[in-house]
Amino acid sequence: DGGITQSPKYLFRKEGQNVTLSCEQNLNHDAMYWYRQDPGQGLRLIYYSQIVNDFQKGDIAEGYSVSREKKESFPLTVTSAQKNPTAFYLCASTPGTGRWKLFFGSGTQLSVL
Amino acid sequence: QQPVQSPQAVILREGEDAVINCSSSKALYSVHWYRQKHGEAPVFLMILLKGGEQKGHEKISASFNEKKQQSSLYLTASQLSYSGTYFCGTEPTGNTGKLIFGQGTTLQVKP
Repeated sequence: DGGITQSPKYLFRKEGQNVTLSCEQNLNHDAMYWYRQDPGQGLRLIYYSQIVNDFQKGDIAEGYSVSREKKESFPLTVTSAQKNPTAFYLCASTPGTGRWKLFFGSGTQLSVL
Repeated sequence: QQPVQSPQAVILREGEDAVINCSSSKALYSVHWYRQKHGEAPVFLMILLKGGEQKGHEKISASFNEKKQQSSLYLTASQLSYSGTYFCGTEPTGNTGKLIFGQGTTLQVKP
């Protein structure tokens, strides 16, 4: 079955540590997105990529980094510069841009030890 | 830039109707609606494109008034399964591919 796979489901970060969240899709979608969700709040866009080897900052990119070396993969690194990383992270993809529904992964819950 | 949803929360009895509104300060190319259950990924409901169209999905429908930059989600004869948090996502004119979500409306349907 085609879909988006996020791993791990739960992740714990120590102070000063970088952690990487994995997002893989086998839908052959061009565009991929990372959203952050805090309890009781909406989804905020961190980064998005419309094509391989290209990505743009979203509204809250500070403290995060991404890469898009392959079409099917869009990993997100939460760096030590992100002082409040505890949140639910969602990866999504679309076939192209505009008028396409988002296909979401099942999410990664990141917590700070 | 974030769209504003209202109300923030709604409590209904089974069979009652509800309306959730989404307003943007920017001209919009499209509006998306999603429903999310606690701890799960959002589930797509529908997309509306500029042109004032209205779409339906089972007993859930929506409208989009591009002049007012507003969209409304209508839930009729609500069922227990409708409980969750509803988000609108807006795409500004220009087809940026960048979807901005509202803060969500929590809907609770009671027996």
